[in-house]
Amino acid sequence: NAGVMQNPRHLVRRRGQEARLRCSPMKGHSHVYWYRQLPEEGLKFMVYLQKENIIDESGMPKERFSAEFPKEGPSILRIQQVVRGDSAAYFCASSLGLIETQYFGPGTRLLVL
Amino acid sequence: DAKTTQPNSMESNEEEPVHLPCNHSTISGTDYIHWYRQLPSQGPEYVIHGLTSNVNNRMASLAIAEDRKSSTLILHRATLRDAAVYYCILRDSGGGADGLTFGKGTHLIIQP
Repeated sequence: NAGVMQNPRHLVRRRGQEARLRCSPMKGHSHVYWYRQLPEEGLKFMVYLQKENIIDESGMPKERFSAEFPKEGPSILRIQQVVRGDSAAYFCASSLGLIETQYFGPGTRLLVL
Repeated sequence: DAKTTQPNSMESNEEEPVHLPCNHSTISGTDYIHWYRQLPSQGPEYVIHGLTSNVNNRMASLAIAEDRKSSTLILHRATLRDAAVYYCILRDSGGGADGLTFGKGTHLIIQP
């Protein structure tokens, strides 16, 4: 029973490029969460999605960041026009439902040059 | 989510029990107490959770104070693989916003 999958594991982008991070939840999980961990800091919640719906995006920066969880396929966190301050580890988690245990993926480490 | 307070770091010896404290004096009646840990260069890993009664699983035990204002995560026999940052998190079972609020956690160091 595969856990949460994230790819790529490492991503290098130059300033101004776009970054696309993918997350495949555990089998049977329809709730996905994205978190960001800046260097030497704790994890911060970004966005909570169910299939085709954004439920809570209170932690998402207002500009350049977007997330989706289509009916088919993985959840995507998209960062447009990346800046050096976007360099961080981005973790995805999935759960069976609201308030259920969240299981985390291994993360995508984004480096912006 | 309500605030939790944990020591910044703790140190223990291999094969000895470890007691990791967490204070949550403003906990509400619908808050569950969750513990996660994050090993170096990995994603957070669920450890255990409880509401009022003490809980045991294969990884750890959770002791919850009678007034629920504090709790203790117990690793019965620490190994070097238990070296990680441990996070104590309150989750409101009332629904609504479901993102986890991670604090700074406790950095657990295990000496061989």
